[in-house]
Amino acid sequence: QLQLQESGPALVKPSETLSLTCTVSGDSTSRTNYYWGWIRQPPGRGLEWVGSIHYSGTTYYNPSLKSRVITSVDTSKNQFSLILSSVTAADTAVYYCARHNFGADAFDIWGHGTMFTVSS
Amino acid sequence: DIQMTQSPSTLSASVGDRVTITCRASQSISTWLAWYQQKPGKAPKLLISKASNLENGVPSRFSGSGSGTAFTLTISSLQPDDFATYYCQHYNTYSWAFGPGTKVEIK
Repeated sequence: QLQLQESGPALVKPSETLSLTCTVSGDSTSRTNYYWGWIRQPPGRGLEWVGSIHYSGTTYYNPSLKSRVITSVDTSKNQFSLILSSVTAADTAVYYCARHNFGADAFDIWGHGTMFTVSS
Repeated sequence: DIQMTQSPSTLSASVGDRVTITCRASQSISTWLAWYQQKPGKAPKLLISKASNLENGVPSRFSGSGSGTAFTLTISSLQPDDFATYYCQHYNTYSWAFGPGTKVEIK
């Protein structure tokens, strides 16, 4: 059964860098038809797509975050990662990793999410 | 950028009611629309993709329709497990975005 699990620090200071990793079990990150995505949700608010990456290295990012986001895939570890630089309080959110079904253009399997807080 | 709206923002309904949620796009997105259900403290769950394709394991009381700029999610007979927030999500030119959400509450 496909499962995704986010990991990373829960608290980072303003202007620092967030680094999250998603570990995939029950599927391969090198599947051709799938991308691997990040979605975030600030407390009490809606969902925001952050970015998606294919194992080939092709990436797509939310234009509003593009200057601060880098994603990567490590197929040997079956993991993919998110780096968000120069964080502010506005980046405080639950961060979800998800399998991005490119054919359906939808996120069909999600991790449980990890709460990330920016605070001094 | 394509703007997505959902209506209503909150909906009060009773078990057994037929419920309809609308998602509108500021320009045509063909059928590139998905619907998700999210319960408090949980990750969203994909219900429908490509406007009307029901995901495996999703109860048949859920259905989606529409194309172009107007889409609907219908729950034919609301069940206790269906009280949640529902989001639409669109795709356009290598960018994906979610609507603001509709909270379905117990009446």
